[in-house]
Amino acid sequence: GAVVSQHPSRVICKSGTSVKIECRSLDFQATTMFWYRQFPKQSLMLMATSNEGSKATYEQGVEKDKFLINHASLTLSTLTVTSAHPEDSSFYICSARDRKSPLHFGNGTRLTVT
Amino acid sequence: GENVEQHPSTLSVQEGDSAVIKCTYSDSASNYFPWYKQELGKGPQLIIDIRSNVGEKKDQRIAVTLNKTAKHFSLHITETQPEDSAVYFCAASRIGQAGTALIFGKGTTLSVSS
Repeated sequence: GAVVSQHPSRVICKSGTSVKIECRSLDFQATTMFWYRQFPKQSLMLMATSNEGSKATYEQGVEKDKFLINHASLTLSTLTVTSAHPEDSSFYICSARDRKSPLHFGNGTRLTVT
Repeated sequence: GENVEQHPSTLSVQEGDSAVIKCTYSDSASNYFPWYKQELGKGPQLIIDIRSNVGEKKDQRIAVTLNKTAKHFSLHITETQPEDSAVYFCAASRIGQAGTALIFGKGTTLSVSS
């Protein structure tokens, strides 16, 4: 079945640095990828929607200059957390679908900003 | 926009009992309702989904029912096992529109004791 690979699974960075998270669809072409953030014991909150070859659409309250999303190919989307701060520490999860498939999720990236 | 409510937030059952989790949605245009199981430190895994042209769907011990009129859908797990213990999320979206994201409920922590 459809598989979404997310890397890295865990990352620790210092405050002020930037971190890039990759999301790949392994056996299908993902016309759309979604990025979610999940705080401990909470639900998944949609951050942004990225369509291949176009700019991402960000949800209200999500800073597009802080969370840079690139979806340059049908199998890869990246999320870059720029100038990370401790409050950005969270579980970031990508998901991908093509026009026919249900949404499949990566295994998430645990970001800790010290 | 869509709003999904999920109840209960926690559910404890004995092994072998049934578990039922209920969700309501607000957007009458939503036509796709998946359920995800999330284990600690991992991304959500799709366990079953239902589209609005179907009232019920079953897959072994798991079933989902949908009442479009009332905008309710429910997950039923029979003969629960300890390995069913996890957080379960319902979600809603409009499938067929590739750019439409899933909106999640707040999750239900299911604990199955042996």
